[in-house]
Amino acid sequence: DGGITQSPKYLFRKEGQNVTLSCEQNLNHDAMYWYRQDPGQGLRLIYYSQIVNDFQKGDIAEGYSVSREKKESFPLTVTSAQKNPTAFYLCASSNLPVNYGYTFGSGTRLTVV
Amino acid sequence: DAKTTQPNSMESNEEEPVHLPCNHSTISGTDYIHWYRQLPSQGPEYVIHGLTSNVNNRMASLAIAEDRKSSTLILHRATLRDAAVYYCILQTFYNQGGKLIFGQGTELSVKP
Repeated sequence: DGGITQSPKYLFRKEGQNVTLSCEQNLNHDAMYWYRQDPGQGLRLIYYSQIVNDFQKGDIAEGYSVSREKKESFPLTVTSAQKNPTAFYLCASSNLPVNYGYTFGSGTRLTVV
Repeated sequence: DAKTTQPNSMESNEEEPVHLPCNHSTISGTDYIHWYRQLPSQGPEYVIHGLTSNVNNRMASLAIAEDRKSSTLILHRATLRDAAVYYCILQTFYNQGGKLIFGQGTELSVKP
C-alpha cells in the first residue's frame, strides 16, 4: 500500500544533541512538507520541498535543517539551535499542482530532556 | 497568509447531521478551501476540498457561500469515530506555492 512512513514514532534526546527524523513516501508525490504541532495547537510549517535538491523555509525554520536528495525521502534535522524542540512532528506529501490534498504520516513525538 | 476563523469547539449527537462553519473573508479568487481532520496523536486526514461549487464525497459535503467568504463542512450522520479536530484551510498558490497553513481548528465531540 502507498503511504508515508515516519520513524521513529517516539524519540528521546538529551538537550544539545542534534536529531534526525525520517520521512519516506512511496506515493510518487513531488512535494513534501514538515510541520510541527505543540499541545492544543494547530500545525506550523517548518520546511517544504517541491522538487529534488530544492527546498524552502516555512514559518518556523530556525533551528531546523532538511535535505531532499531523493524524491521519496525528506529527512528533518532538529539542531541544538532549536530552543524548544519538544513537539509532535508531522511529515506530508502531495502531487503538484495540489488537486487531491496532502497525505500525512503518523508523526514522530520528540522529547528533549 | 490567508486566514480562516472557526469555532473552538462544537458538540453533536450520534447519527445526527453536523454543520461545521468556517469564515474566510480575505479569500482570493484562486484560493482553494480544504478541510482536514485530526485524531489525537495522529496525522491529519484529508476530508474534502473545493474552489467555488459545492462538493460531495463519501466522507462529507462542502457547501461554499456564493461570495466564497464562508463555507460549511457537513457530516451527514455523525458517528463516534467522527470526533476529532477539524481544520478549515485556505490553499493559496499566488506567492505561497500552494502550501497549507493550518489554524486552530474546531474540536468536535460526538455524544452517543
